Amino acid sequence: EAGVAQSPRYKIIEKRQSVAFWCNPISGHATLYWYQQILGQGPKLLIQFQNNGVVDDSQLPKDRFSAERLKGVDSTLKIQPAKLEDSAVYLCASSLDTSGSWYNEQFFGPGTRLTVL
Amino acid sequence: GDSVTQMEGPVTLSEEAFLTINCTYTATGYPSLFWYVQYPGEGLQLLLKATKADDKGSNKGFEATYRKETTSFHLEKGSVQVSDSAVYFCALSSDKIIFGKGTRLHILP
Repeated sequence: EAGVAQSPRYKIIEKRQSVAFWCNPISGHATLYWYQQILGQGPKLLIQFQNNGVVDDSQLPKDRFSAERLKGVDSTLKIQPAKLEDSAVYLCASSLDTSGSWYNEQFFGPGTRLTVL
Repeated sequence: GDSVTQMEGPVTLSEEAFLTINCTYTATGYPSLFWYVQYPGEGLQLLLKATKADDKGSNKGFEATYRKETTSFHLEKGSVQVSDSAVYFCALSSDKIIFGKGTRLHILP
């Protein structure tokens, strides 16, 4: 079974530039998550989709971050414009869950490491 | 708000040593508790979980017991191997999932 795919793996940009990350979840997984992991900290949930609807985006900085999940499959996360403090690893995860329960296992991709100069 | 505190690393042990990584939590409700592991160069993986008080999660020789009275979910393994070297994250879930900062574990041969 293929895992969660993310691209690119690494990205270096200058502040005020834009950047987009792509995630392809495991086939059949209804729920998709984007996390931000700053060096030395645990992952922080940015947004959760169930199929193509947003379940939770309370921690997404909406003035500069946006995300979409077209057709309930792939997802993109965009930052525009980027700030120095956005330097982090952006993780995508998916789960079979369709009930909104956090009990079900999440499967994580390898992440995209973003450096903002 | 809800939070997770885990012991700071790095933790360095010799092979076959006993491992404990402490994790305590603060939550208003009755969260589920998790340990995730991140091996070098790989994504996060669920190691074990527990959903209610006194539940014990176990996997790959690791164990953790959900202790409501001490609000703890300490990770233990009786005899570690070099292949256990990784970063371990404690997490809780109520209305959202919250991760600790992670503990890096080095096992020396």
